[in-house]
This record gives sequence, structure tokens and C-alpha cells, in this order.
Amino acid sequence: NAGVTQTPKFRILKIGQSMTLQCAQDMNHNYMYWYRQDPGMGLKLIYYSVGAGITDKGEVPNGYNVSRSTTEDFPLRLELAAPSQTSVYFCASSYIGQGKKAEAFFGQGTRLTVV
Amino acid sequence: AQTVTQSQPEMSVQEAETVTLSCTYDTSESDYYLFWYKQPPSRQMILVIRQEAYKQQNATENRFSVNFQKAAKSFSLKISDSQLGDAAMYFCAYRSTGNQFYFGTGTSLTVIP
Repeated sequence: NAGVTQTPKFRILKIGQSMTLQCAQDMNHNYMYWYRQDPGMGLKLIYYSVGAGITDKGEVPNGYNVSRSTTEDFPLRLELAAPSQTSVYFCASSYIGQGKKAEAFFGQGTRLTVV
Repeated sequence: AQTVTQSQPEMSVQEAETVTLSCTYDTSESDYYLFWYKQPPSRQMILVIRQEAYKQQNATENRFSVNFQKAAKSFSLKISDSQLGDAAMYFCAYRSTGNQFYFGTGTSLTVIP
């Protein structure tokens, strides 16, 4: 099992450009999450999904969009990138159900810089 | 939204000694999970230990143990026999009944040889 795979690992964007951060998991997890990590701020939830076709906003959703067409994939779209979106982005997944430990498994993160 | 507070931005410990990292949380829920994650310089988030709120017994994983005080909403992590490889950022996390994870701001742990 690869676990949670994020691509790319690093990216530099110009202000106003758009991009998609890819996330895939092969653990058949129902829940998937996107977080951003800023220095001294911990991880903040951007969006999450409870299953294919179902997404919901987290604490800091402005400037982002997501979709979940399959159980495995949960891409994060940045439209009109702004310097405030410079951050490290983490995708995570978890299986929420009977008899499961229910921790979150994380990808390796994407460091995004908007200049 | 739930809040998770880590009041120690930085901590240090001598190799082979014991250190305790603090975490408090605010919730009105009765059924939840708590976690400690380790983030080394590689950036990977690694689960250290988990605690289910309905279990009164404190969780233990080798050199790592927790002191879970449900009434006080406190969840501290004790690292015994500290090793150089324990140096990392440590995050306390809360999983709500809505299955969202909330994180503290982290504690940077330095291990002194």
C-alpha cells in the first residue's frame, strides 16, 4: 500500500494563476481531508469529504474548491492564487466505522509558494 | 469548532531524560478521540499515540504515554528515555463526533545530547 500520495511536493505559482493539488489514497478510506499548515498556526482544515460525491467546508475554505468523484481521489483546486495561500498543504484520510482506530493518515505535504 | 491548545511552543530535554508536553482542549462532546502526532523535519505526520475518550485507562506505546484527564480536558504526552530521534514538532489533535480533526499549534521538542 502506498497510503496517501500527494503531488506535487513543491510548487511556485504566480499571483492569479490556478492549480490543482492531487491526492490519492489506496486504503479504501471513506473520509478525506485537506489541511494547510502555516508557521506557528498548526493545521487548519480547508475541506473534507465523507465519501464519493460528498464534500463540506472546513475552517478556512475561501479561495479553494474540491471534488470527490471516486473514493480514492480528492483534488484541491486553487483559483486565482494569492500570496496568503503560501503554505504547506496536507491531504489526509481516515476510515470512520465500526471497529476502526480512526486516526488520520497523512500524505507528505505540498509546499506551495505564491509570488 | 473545537479548540486545541498547546501552551508550550518549545521544549527541550536531555537525552535519556523524561519530558512532558501539555495539551488542553475545549469541547461539549462526550465521545471523541485524542491523538499525538510527530512531525520531523521531513514534514511527514506520524501518529505517536491515540486515546479514546470513553476509556479511562491512559494509553501507552513503548516510551510514550499519556495522562488523560477528561474532566479537566487535558491530554499530556510523556516521553521517557528521550532519544535524539524524538526531536520533532509534536501536535495534539482532537477528532470530533463529526469526524473532523482539530490540531493544536504544536510544540517543538529539542533533544540535547
